[in-house]
Amino acid sequence: GAGVSQSPSNKVTEKGKDVELRCDPISGHTALYWYRQSLGQGLEFLIYFQGNSAPDKSGLPSDRFSAERTGGSVSTLTIQRTQQEDSAVYLCASSPLRVSSYEQYFGPGTRLTVT
Amino acid sequence: AQSVTQLGSHVSVSEGALVLLRCNYSSSVPPYLFWYVQYPNQGLQLLLKYTTGATLVKGINGFEAEFKKSETSFHLTKPSAHMSDAAEYFCAVRETGTASKLTFGTGTRLQVTL
Repeated sequence: GAGVSQSPSNKVTEKGKDVELRCDPISGHTALYWYRQSLGQGLEFLIYFQGNSAPDKSGLPSDRFSAERTGGSVSTLTIQRTQQEDSAVYLCASSPLRVSSYEQYFGPGTRLTVT
Repeated sequence: AQSVTQLGSHVSVSEGALVLLRCNYSSSVPPYLFWYVQYPNQGLQLLLKYTTGATLVKGINGFEAEFKKSETSFHLTKPSAHMSDAAEYFCAVRETGTASKLTFGTGTRLQVTL
């Protein structure tokens, strides 16, 4: 079946602009995660959605970052007033959360470059 | 809090040689452990996982890893490296029984030479 998809694959934006990154999880996966991968920081957790529960936002680096998940499926990560340090690859993952399967399946990522 | 340490940011092996990538973790509860591989300009692909049961786990592409609780380690091995194994490898830990985040190591870039 189809894997996790993310769009756009690449995004170049000017400092101060807002950007939206989209993630389509694997159908039926109840959990969705956002991570950021950057040269200086490695792979960092940003936010996690599980079903109808309140999201775990503990990894968001500032209040310029927000995310939502509509209808338990598609998720959008929004970065307001982008800064150069926001340049990174943003990875989305989903998980079925069956007892026998706790792994996360990752999308190809969105490479964000802030100029 | 959980953490993962991967010793060696770069490892170089000859084709056909043993691959050993080291991972040590710290966790206050029994962990789930994962190895992911990332090829250039691609997302992360799961190589193998340890959740419960047998401590030696086999994954894709001939890789395997052994969970050693006494050493808090989960080293990744492959008996014979292939050129196509060149990639970045990430070890990750997650608390058992929760649907929580993965905590990743800093990654090890594997180079395979002729």
